[in-house]
Parts: sequence; structure tokens; C-alpha cells
Amino acid sequence: DADVTQTPRNRITKTGKRIMLECSQTKGHDRMYWYRQDPGLGLRLIYYSFDVKDINKGEISDGYSVSRQAQAKFSLSLESAIPNQTALYFCATSELGSSYNEQFFGPGTRLTVL
Amino acid sequence: AQKVTQAQTEISVVEKEDVTLDCVYETRDTTYYLFWYKQPPSGELVFLIRRNSFDEQNEISGRYSWNFQKSTSSFNFTITASQVVDSAVYFCALSEALRSNYQLIWGAGTKLIIKP
Repeated sequence: DADVTQTPRNRITKTGKRIMLECSQTKGHDRMYWYRQDPGLGLRLIYYSFDVKDINKGEISDGYSVSRQAQAKFSLSLESAIPNQTALYFCATSELGSSYNEQFFGPGTRLTVL
Repeated sequence: AQKVTQAQTEISVVEKEDVTLDCVYETRDTTYYLFWYKQPPSGELVFLIRRNSFDEQNEISGRYSWNFQKSTSSFNFTITASQVVDSAVYFCALSEALRSNYQLIWGAGTKLIIKP
């Protein structure tokens, strides 16, 4: 079984709809991250959380919100989806106390906003 | 500011050729970590290697090798005798111990195409 899972894997939605992407992990890691990937831009950090009570904005948080429901769960919401949020979204985890912050990624969610 | 540059957007070679993917980074930290990840056409991100700033030894793993040079702020990745299965997008990333709270700074990626 995968250590980091994301649901759904693919989603097509319409402009203005509310969308939630979910991430679960069984690695026991405290740190969790949400990234988006656009062609030619690499990965950009949306939000990150170092524990259940800690939420931080990343590079591109506008238009997104997150919820850390438990150590193992970190959800990303698009309150009112717009077409330029069409992208591949990745959840990642890393171990608290790790000096090098190696991150482990979920399989990705491909989101299309029409 | 911290930055990772992968100047090669796309590289195409014929199978069995050697190929080097370049990565140049900028950081003011003395303690930092560099990573390479592979993203095959299926889309997942696969960790390949981590290197810390205090270890400049080159690394070899099978057909893969990495050349870390602090003097030129580079962490280049070479695939020897490339195979079609090596076709993927490869990302270089930087983690700074102090300044960025261990966030990963990503390069834009290099798309590697290996032709049979």
C-alpha cells in the first residue's frame, strides 16, 4: 500500500465550484505539504504544516485554503475554482527533526477547471 | 535569494548515449541539501539522491552518477548508457537548513527523451 495517498486522482470541474483535494499518509510524518505543478515551472509550494496546529502559507497560497484534520490528513480546498488553477497537485510529507527534509510524494491529483 | 536553475528545458538523445543534466543553485546558507527527483510519464515523483553541503564526494549508483561542486554551485546528474526507461522529467531541488525552514526550492525540470 502507498505511504502517501491522494484522492481524487483526477477531477474535472467548472469555474466557481468548490473543490477539496485530500491527502493521507501512513508514514507517521509530522510535516505535510501541498504543491502544484505547471508545465515548465517545476513545483510551487501552496501551503505547509509542521503539525496539526501549525499551518503556513507557501509561495502561491492565494485562492487556496487547507485543513490539517489529523497528523495523517491534510486537505487542500479551492473555494471557487478558476481555470488557471488547472494543474497537477502533489501532497508530500517529511519527518520532523529531519535535518535534510527529504520529502515523500503522493501520486498527484490532476485537476482541470473548465 | 535561494534559487535552483536547470537551464536545459529538454534533452533528446539516442539510447546508449551518455547524458548530463545540469543543476546550478544559489544559497547563502552554509548548510544545505540538494536533491534529484525523477518524474516518469506516469506522473509520480521518485526520489533519486540527497547530498549535503559538507559532502562533495561524487556519487555513483549503477548507471547514475552525481557531480557536486561547491566552487561552481552545481550538482549535475549523469546517466551512462541511457535507456528508454530513463525518459522522464528530472528535477533538482535545494533545502536550506536555516533560512527557508527546510522548504524545498525546485528547479523547473529537464525533460529527458531517450530515443530507441
